[in-house]
Amino acid sequence: EDQVTQSPEALRLQEGESSSLNCSYTVSGLRGLFWYRQDPGKGPEFLFTLYSAGEEKEKERLKATLTKKESFLHITAPKPEDSATYLCAVQRGRGSQGNLIFGKGTKLSVKP
Amino acid sequence: GAVVSQHPSWVICKSGTSVKIECRSLDFQATTMFWYRQFPKQSLMLMATSNEGSKATYEQGVEKDKFLINHASLTLSTLTVTSAHPEDSSFYICSAQRGTRTDTQYFGPGTRLTVL
Repeated sequence: EDQVTQSPEALRLQEGESSSLNCSYTVSGLRGLFWYRQDPGKGPEFLFTLYSAGEEKEKERLKATLTKKESFLHITAPKPEDSATYLCAVQRGRGSQGNLIFGKGTKLSVKP
Repeated sequence: GAVVSQHPSWVICKSGTSVKIECRSLDFQATTMFWYRQFPKQSLMLMATSNEGSKATYEQGVEKDKFLINHASLTLSTLTVTSAHPEDSSFYICSAQRGTRTDTQYFGPGTRLTVL
């Protein structure tokens, strides 16, 4: 069964304290792995797409990496405005219309 | 680019009434649109996938007669919750995909539905 597991469920950091969020997955025929940011009461905001193991993408303080079994979202020197829930999702290949399977998310809180 | 809007952003209705939610891709044409539901402190659950001009594909356990989806054009999809009940209260979010199955999904801001 296709599955996406994110850890930890919640993470509290001090401003400037770097850390990583994990997304492990089992899926038949991975087409892509997506990272989104979701603020309370809003829809997910697209961050990154990764397609193959070894791929890395960066945006400001965020860096996403992908292996055959998991993905990491590294946050370097976070700021309070980085506080949000970070969602990981996988897109299946064969037999799929492109729909996403989401993990439950990691709620990140960054204290000043 | 890739902006998706939803209307209304929140709605309160009485039990037994129907509610329509609109999802629009503002600056691109969306071959496929998706409808998700999100309960408090839980992740997004896919309800259905719709392609322009064809019937929607519903996920297992989602009642197609209760959640009517119409993808009338490449920029508009609507979700109608028919005969709504309190258990239908949730956060409904749509997403739009430009073209191929590997393309990124861009999400709308969501609609908070409360059924009294």
